[in-house]
Amino acid sequence: EAQVTQNPRYLITVTGKKLTVTCSQNMNHEYMSWYRQDPGLGLRQIYYSMNVEVTDKGDVPEGYKVSRKEKRNFPLILESPSPNQTSLYFCASRTRLSSYNEQFFGPGTRLTVL
Amino acid sequence: EDKVVQSPLSLVVHEGDTVTLNCSYEVTNFRSLLWYKQEKKAPTFLFMLTSSGIEKKSGRLSSILDKKELSSILNITATQTGDSAIYLCAVEGNTGNQFYFGTGTSLTVIP
Repeated sequence: EAQVTQNPRYLITVTGKKLTVTCSQNMNHEYMSWYRQDPGLGLRQIYYSMNVEVTDKGDVPEGYKVSRKEKRNFPLILESPSPNQTSLYFCASRTRLSSYNEQFFGPGTRLTVL
Repeated sequence: EDKVVQSPLSLVVHEGDTVTLNCSYEVTNFRSLLWYKQEKKAPTFLFMLTSSGIEKKSGRLSSILDKKELSSILNITATQTGDSAIYLCAVEGNTGNQFYFGTGTSLTVIP
């Protein structure tokens, strides 16, 4: 089944404790993105990647890191999480074919930073 | 600053009504506009509109892109309770794979 998976789905942590949210897709997509979703603010892009070893900042990159060492994986790293990073996070992927722009979203990771 | 604005923020209608959701944008180097439906989980894709495809239709849902007015509408006819969701508008701009989302319109359809 074609899908984007994220782990963990739920995470409660404390300020300053480094964490990684994994994202993996099995569709051989070149493009991947991370978003956070907050009430009243909608979905905001954190980082995106257009291929292996190619990553760019989105709208809200502060406090986050990403890497793209393999085509299928795009982990999101919070080196020192803070309470304002409490949010619902989505990973997404899509093919680079310009005629087909659908993003496939993962199930989401709900993160709480105390 | 690139931005996408959706209106109304929320809408409550009765089954069978027709609704129109609005999306306006100011995005550098517009590439495409997409509509998604979100029901308490991940967004699911509805339509993509570009300069070469400014009108799309799927069943009771249809969407039009007005490149002159930098806006789009999503129409839902004969609404059903299953249409209750948040509808998101997103615009792709600039380098490609850079997306700007609106805050969404929350639609509630009452039986």
